[in-house]
Amino acid sequence: GDSVTQMEGPVTLSEEAFLTINCTYTATGYPSLFWYVQYPGEGLQLLLKATKADDKGSNKGFEATYRKETTSFHLEKGSVQVSDSAVYFCALRATGGFKTIFGAGTRLFVKA
Amino acid sequence: DTAVSQTPKYLVTQMGNDKSIKCEQNLGHDTMYWYKQDSKKFLKIMFSYNNKELIINETVPNRFSPKSPDKAHLNLHINSLELGDSAVYFCASSLGQGETGELFFGEGSRLTVL
Repeated sequence: GDSVTQMEGPVTLSEEAFLTINCTYTATGYPSLFWYVQYPGEGLQLLLKATKADDKGSNKGFEATYRKETTSFHLEKGSVQVSDSAVYFCALRATGGFKTIFGAGTRLFVKA
Repeated sequence: DTAVSQTPKYLVTQMGNDKSIKCEQNLGHDTMYWYKQDSKKFLKIMFSYNNKELIINETVPNRFSPKSPDKAHLNLHINSLELGDSAVYFCASSLGQGETGELFFGEGSRLTVL
């Protein structure tokens, strides 16, 4: 079945450091891919998405490119801030489907 | 105006009790979901309703019973609570099947079973 694998955390960075969180997926067909973010004590919210191969999703300085050849959707940010500290989830949803499958989440700590 | 709201935010109860969590969305979405998040933040889908019809029913004990009185509401009732039911339960909604399926989440209901 479909699955999402993302790098284990926690990831600890200093402010202004470069961030990469790796995500790979297994799916039949061409799923939509997502990154969600969960701040402490809150529900998840969509950070960015891509719906087809080579699409780049971007938001708030974060970006990720849908790479079908490597089945990857890595999240990057050039300069993290303390306020980016949160748990980040990679997810996929099969085209025409109802089920969104989440990775295990990666906790990010950013130190001032 | 909160898009997806769930109540209560916190529940603390004894083993064996029955409890309910309510969810409402004002986004006009057709599809609603219940997810369970464990202490390690792992998210697992439990149920989904599309236009009041149950479309996803994962391997969940039948002590858990969802109910959707209309498209905007999805409730979760749990009978005979067990220690392992302690978790954060998230309600979410999305547009219908033909869309890309972005999920909108509520703030979660933290259930603690003692």
